[in-house]
Amino acid sequence: KNEVEQSPQNLTAQEGEFITINCSYSVGISALHWLQQHPGGGIVSLFMLSSGKKKHGRLIATINIQEKHSSLHITASHPRDSAVYICAISNFGNEKLTFGTGTRLTIIP
Amino acid sequence: AAGVIQSPRHLIKEKRETATLKCYPIPRHDTVYWYQQGPGQDPQFLISFYEKMQSDKGSIPDRFSAQQFSDYHSELNMSSLELGDSALYFCASSTTANTEAFFGQGTRLTVV
Repeated sequence: KNEVEQSPQNLTAQEGEFITINCSYSVGISALHWLQQHPGGGIVSLFMLSSGKKKHGRLIATINIQEKHSSLHITASHPRDSAVYICAISNFGNEKLTFGTGTRLTIIP
Repeated sequence: AAGVIQSPRHLIKEKRETATLKCYPIPRHDTVYWYQQGPGQDPQFLISFYEKMQSDKGSIPDRFSAQQFSDYHSELNMSSLELGDSALYFCASSTTANTEAFFGQGTRLTVV
């Protein structure tokens, strides 16, 4: 079983819809990261969380440490949000990232 | 703002050849991580360096080696290339004060 599980694996939605991507992990962490990967491969860090909630523009990330669960929300989704969204964790004393399998999001105009 | 720079962006090599991938971290970042992402797969951790010393090692083949230089740039050396080495190789950098990782655009290596 992977240490990091994401759901759904694929998500297609209409422009304007509210999007939720979930991430569960099974080990203790120092931080959880949400990353975005566009076709062509480049990875962009969206959020790094160790507790609570962060917001950046239309993106919101939450984490529940007790439940070992995080969600990434996108409000007013837009076709340019189409990408693979990856949840990754870093462990205490060892900051390398362990990645989830990613969620491929497609927003249809 | 300066980002993590990787070179080359694309590389095509034949089997059994060698390849060298370079990573230039964000200025004042002291930690570099290398990841390998095969087609349709999650990125996998290869190796990391902190202050020019290897700090952690993942699933890196013995055919690969890496180092971090005095200017903090890092190079990943890959020898006796195999078809299965074809992948996107990412470098990320961070500081010990703020462990958020910033990624380069990756080097896409194709072994033919």
